[in-house]
Amino acid sequence: GQNIDQPTEMTATEGAIVQINCTYQTSGFNGLFWYQQHAGEAPTFLSYNVLDGLEEKGRFSSFLSRSKGYSYLLLKELQMKDSASYLCAFIDSNYQLIWGAGTKLIIKP
Amino acid sequence: SQTIHQWPATLVQPVGSPLSLECTVEGTSNPNLYWYRQAAGRGLQLLFYSVGIGQISSEVPQNLSASRPQDRQFILSSKKLLLSDSGFYLCAWSATGISGANVLTFGAGSRLTVL
Repeated sequence: GQNIDQPTEMTATEGAIVQINCTYQTSGFNGLFWYQQHAGEAPTFLSYNVLDGLEEKGRFSSFLSRSKGYSYLLLKELQMKDSASYLCAFIDSNYQLIWGAGTKLIIKP
Repeated sequence: SQTIHQWPATLVQPVGSPLSLECTVEGTSNPNLYWYRQAAGRGLQLLFYSVGIGQISSEVPQNLSASRPQDRQFILSSKKLLLSDSGFYLCAWSATGISGANVLTFGAGSRLTVL
């Protein structure tokens, strides 16, 4: 079967670094997305990984290990505006998106 | 550039009343269109998707329906709302074709409360 899991909530301090993990199980895999969603708003695209390794985009980086069924989103130099939910989703063999429930990130001053 | 519009933003409806949520996309042709529902503490649930006019695929059996009367218009409807239909509804589009790299762009969402 298919499964995706990420922590429900995390807390971090402004200016610090936080890593949000996502694990998945699937027989077919065609990439993994990370989205950011502020409360009451629509999700917005952050990153897409299809090959193993780290993709860096400014303060945000995303890592993928296909053999381990594992990805993480790394946020550096945290700002208060980074308080949001972070959604992980993988693309299965039918090119359908399977979504995690999201990780609510709380940033404290 | 491409933009997606979704309305209404919020609505409160009594049980048994009809529903119509509308979504339009500008700046692209033949997009893939999607309706999702997001419940608190749960992942996005795909309700319907469409790869072309009149082509609707339903993912979850329920009292909701979708229609695509024009290339860039996607409508979510119900004849009689249930309490369980309350939630945050999101329309999204992606480029045409099947590709793992087709990024979903979401509309602003519609918060539905059924009383």
